[in-house]
Amino acid sequence: EVQLVQSGAEVKQPGESLKISCKGSGYTFTSYWIAWVRQMPGKGLEWMGIIYPGESDTRYSPSFQGQVTISADESTTTAYLRWNSLKASDTAIYFCARLGTRYQLQNNWFDPWGQGTLVTVSS
Amino acid sequence: QFVLTQPPSASGTPGQRVTISCSGSSSNIGINTVSWFQQLPGTAPKLLIYSNNQRPSGVPDRFSGSKSGTSASLAISGLQSEDEADYYCAAWDDSLNGNYVFGTGTKVTVL
Repeated sequence: EVQLVQSGAEVKQPGESLKISCKGSGYTFTSYWIAWVRQMPGKGLEWMGIIYPGESDTRYSPSFQGQVTISADESTTTAYLRWNSLKASDTAIYFCARLGTRYQLQNNWFDPWGQGTLVTVSS
Repeated sequence: QFVLTQPPSASGTPGQRVTISCSGSSSNIGINTVSWFQQLPGTAPKLLIYSNNQRPSGVPDRFSGSKSGTSASLAISGLQSEDEADYYCAAWDDSLNGNYVFGTGTKVTVL
């Protein structure tokens, strides 16, 4: 079974750093793009960026470029989303999602999804 | 950043047909395929439709998708109470360096 399992909820203070994870299993980790998606409280889905673990090719939404860093570790089949300095406005649920077919970036779809990681940033 | 526009809400009684629109542009829906997702309260999104009109295994045939020009639609026929959820469209956008874009989301209420 193809599965993405995300790390648990986090509570942080503004200015702190954070790295959340998304572990893939049941498929060839290096052959499929993995995306990160933000959902702020009561709001819609926003695409943040995507990584191809096989080549560490990474693309970012213009809205998130420079705000976060996406990475992946082939040895542990895990993708990561990192912040160097959190803000209260980073409070949200973050989902990882794999693209449905291997290799290609465009004309693809997100399936499956991780269960989501709630990040709360508050002083 | 939301580039695909959906109506904020839609509703129907059990058994009715509900249609949700997704309006884009020539850089996204006009040249790329569309997918649709269902998000039940407190859960992760679930793929409903991919490649404009294809249903993954396990998705009831009550759900159907279509695309024409720079717009796409999701139809739910024979509406059921368990269909009450948020629905999102998505597509690749070729503008700038390229990125995926989601729709603004539609809340479907079963009356």
